[in-house]
Amino acid sequence: GDSVTQMEGPVTLSEEAFLTINCTYTATGYPSLFWYVQYPGEGLQLLLKATKADDKGSNKGFEATYRKETTSFHLEKGSVQVSDSAVYFCALSGYSSASKIIFGSGTRLSIRP
Amino acid sequence: DVKVTQSSRYLVKRTGEKVFLECVQDMDHENMFWYRQDPGLGLRLIYFSYDVKMKEKGDIPEGYSVSREKKERFSLILESASTNQTSMYLCASSGPMGRSYEQYFGPGTRLTVT
Repeated sequence: GDSVTQMEGPVTLSEEAFLTINCTYTATGYPSLFWYVQYPGEGLQLLLKATKADDKGSNKGFEATYRKETTSFHLEKGSVQVSDSAVYFCALSGYSSASKIIFGSGTRLSIRP
Repeated sequence: DVKVTQSSRYLVKRTGEKVFLECVQDMDHENMFWYRQDPGLGLRLIYFSYDVKMKEKGDIPEGYSVSREKKERFSLILESASTNQTSMYLCASSGPMGRSYEQYFGPGTRLTVT
């Protein structure tokens, strides 16, 4: 079945460092791919998405490119801030059941001032 | 903006009590979902609904039931709460957005069963 594997955390970086959180997926067909973010004590928020191969999703300085050849959707940010500290979830909306989303296990990110 | 609201942010119940968690969305979405989130286990789907009065079991439906009498409201019911149901409960809704079905989440209800 469809699945998402993402980098295990926690990840700790200094402010202004470069961020990469790896995500790979297994799915039939052409899924849509998402990154969600969860700030402490809150629900999940959609951070960015890509719906077809080679699409780049971007928001708040974060980017991720849908790579079908490597089945990956890695999250990157050039210069992180303390306010980026949160849990990040990679997810896909499978071809076989468009309304359900498969979530990865989440990566906790902490940014030191 | 899509708004998904949940009836309580924090709830404390006793073992054996019947517990209702309510979720309301204002975007006329067809699909609604209930998840629980536990440390080390990520998000697990309990139940979802793709239309009024329709429901389907998710990955962990045991000990839970749901009700969807109106399109905007989806209720999660713990018939007889147990301590292993202490968790964060997240509600979400989705509708078609072009090719994708991104989900919009409520703020969560942290339930403690004592």
